[in-house]
Amino acid sequence: EIVLTQSPGTLSLSPGERATLSCRASQRVPGNYLAWYLQKPGQAPRLLINGASRRATGIPDKFSGSGSGRDFTLTISRLEPEDFAVYYCQQYGGSPTFGQGTKVEIK
Amino acid sequence: QVHLQESGPGLVSPSQTLSLTCAVSDASISRRGYFWNWIRQPPGKPLEWIGFFYYNGATRYNPSFRGRVTISGDTSNNQFSLKMTSVTAADTAVYFCAGGPDLLEFPFFDLWSQGSLVTVSS
Repeated sequence: EIVLTQSPGTLSLSPGERATLSCRASQRVPGNYLAWYLQKPGQAPRLLINGASRRATGIPDKFSGSGSGRDFTLTISRLEPEDFAVYYCQQYGGSPTFGQGTKVEIK
Repeated sequence: QVHLQESGPGLVSPSQTLSLTCAVSDASISRRGYFWNWIRQPPGKPLEWIGFFYYNGATRYNPSFRGRVTISGDTSNNQFSLKMTSVTAADTAVYFCAGGPDLLEFPFFDLWSQGSLVTVSS
């Protein structure tokens, strides 16, 4: 099983700031098949990124994904109020697993 | 727009079987294109993939659930189901059904239901 570790656990930022979230895998993720999701309280997750860097349909370009191998990053260029949420990474190069999440909160 | 809606009991007794069904609208579970998945999220915890059903009847499961979980499809009603046996309090979670494109051996998830809380308690 590929274990995903996200950091930091909580990120306290102000609207307009840049957010950088990390996801590290316990082993290389085959094909760099890594996705990112945003989840707000009481809602289902929403797909942001697949294939490490490909934005899903309708996702604005303030969200960008990068990385390969074991280390991946989600960057939100300028935080808006609706971006404060929990973010999960997920690998699908093997039996799917999720990270434990990074909460982006308003400072 | 594809819509997924799960249904089933919100309360299950310990050692019993949890059963949920996911009705799919505007997509067919009997055609290629998607894997049809179950994913859960215990309160305050991260997401956990349970397994999927594929149009040809194939299934894949998270190894940690093997032997306790069955996912099946009902093509006449365009829905798929989850059965989990011998449940304990640790199975208390919000259960989501989700669709993921069948591009690779395993999917990411771009279609989600709203989620349904299932509590295991006597």
